Amino acid sequence: DTGVSQNPRHKITKRGQNVTFRCDPISEHNRLYWYRQTLGQGPEFLTYFQNEAQLEKSRLLSDRFSAERPKGSFSTLEIQRTEQGDSAMYLCASSPWGAGTDTQYFGPGTRLTVL
Amino acid sequence: AQTVTQSQPEMSVQEAETVTLSCTYDTSESNYYLFWYKQPPSRQMILVIRQEAYKQQNATENRFSVNFQKAAKSFSLKISDSQLGDTAMYFCAFLLTQGGSEKLVFGKGTKLTVNP
Repeated sequence: DTGVSQNPRHKITKRGQNVTFRCDPISEHNRLYWYRQTLGQGPEFLTYFQNEAQLEKSRLLSDRFSAERPKGSFSTLEIQRTEQGDSAMYLCASSPWGAGTDTQYFGPGTRLTVL
Repeated sequence: AQTVTQSQPEMSVQEAETVTLSCTYDTSESNYYLFWYKQPPSRQMILVIRQEAYKQQNATENRFSVNFQKAAKSFSLKISDSQLGDTAMYFCAFLLTQGGSEKLVFGKGTKLTVNP
């Protein structure tokens, strides 16, 4: 396994711009999660995919946020009209399906700074 | 409400000594999973240890072990023979499964510094 990868690793944008992040899960992991982590806090859940189906969206995910996972492979997280409060680390995690496969494996994250 | 509380924002320990990080959680479920994750400075989150609630035996992974007290809803992490590489943020997490969805609920973390 090559691990969960995320791109870009860092993104600096101006308020009001749109940004898109990509997550490539571990091969054959059909469950994918997005979390947001602000400085000094633990990660907070944003959304969960099982294959291509988005099964849950947190209330943290406002209308400006959208996530997709076409064909159940990689996933994208888009933030429209960014605000300074969106500045955070965005973490992606994946896990396989089956008994005893509850562990989530995290990527390195994308750090977003909104100026 | 499903919550995780880590009451120690920061801790320090001397190299080779033992340290215990505390974690309490709240859940109404009877079967669940608990985790400790480690996040070194500027590096990604990695799993340290996991515990299945229906197992009474405390999980152990090399120098890392847990003290799982189900009735008290307590899940502390003990690190033996601390090493400089153990310096990191440590997060306690609870796997919440509801209505076909699942997610980790994290505590706020404990910053551990291992001093030479």
